[in-house]
Amino acid sequence: EAQVTQNPRYLITVTGKKLTVTCSQNMNHEYMSWYRQDPGLGLRQIYYSMNVEVTDKGDVPEGYKVSRKEKRNFPLILESPSPNQTSLYFCASSFVGAYEQYFGPGTRLTVT
Amino acid sequence: AQTVTQSQPEMSVQEAETVTLSCTYDTSESDYYLFWYKQPPSRQMILVIRQEAYKQQNATENRFSVNFQKAAKSFSLKISDSQLGDAAMYFCAYGDNNDMRFGAGTRLTVKP
Repeated sequence: EAQVTQNPRYLITVTGKKLTVTCSQNMNHEYMSWYRQDPGLGLRQIYYSMNVEVTDKGDVPEGYKVSRKEKRNFPLILESPSPNQTSLYFCASSFVGAYEQYFGPGTRLTVT
Repeated sequence: AQTVTQSQPEMSVQEAETVTLSCTYDTSESDYYLFWYKQPPSRQMILVIRQEAYKQQNATENRFSVNFQKAAKSFSLKISDSQLGDAAMYFCAYGDNNDMRFGAGTRLTVKP
């Protein structure tokens, strides 16, 4: 089944404790992206990647890192999480040049 | 930068009735796509319908249809014969060259 998976689905952590949210897709998509969803703001792009070893900042990259060492994986790293990073996070993927993105199930992150 | 505006934070509709959700966007591009995504309580982002900007004909998917007014940069979603399962958050999104922008969302309530 073609899908985008994210882990964990739920995470509660404390300020400053490094964490990684994994994202994997099995559709051979070149393009992958991370979004955060906050009430009243919709989804905002954090980082995206057009291919392996190619990443770029989205609209809200501060406090986040990403890497793209393999085509199928695009982990999101919070090296020192803060409470303002409490949010719902989505990973998405697509072919380059395509307009439709496929979304993962979301990760609910709470930073206390 | 492209922006997407959904002016209705909340809408409600009686079961079996018709409801229209509004969306406007701003872009200087001529080639782009527009989308409506549904987000039920499960949080999964589900593509409802998409419209290619170069097509004059409005897209339809069963009970869902759009009114695409390119000159006015308007993209509304009409849900006919509303069902209880249509209750969700609906996001309007604009996409070009893998850049996707979302509106803030409209929460739709369906009354039995």
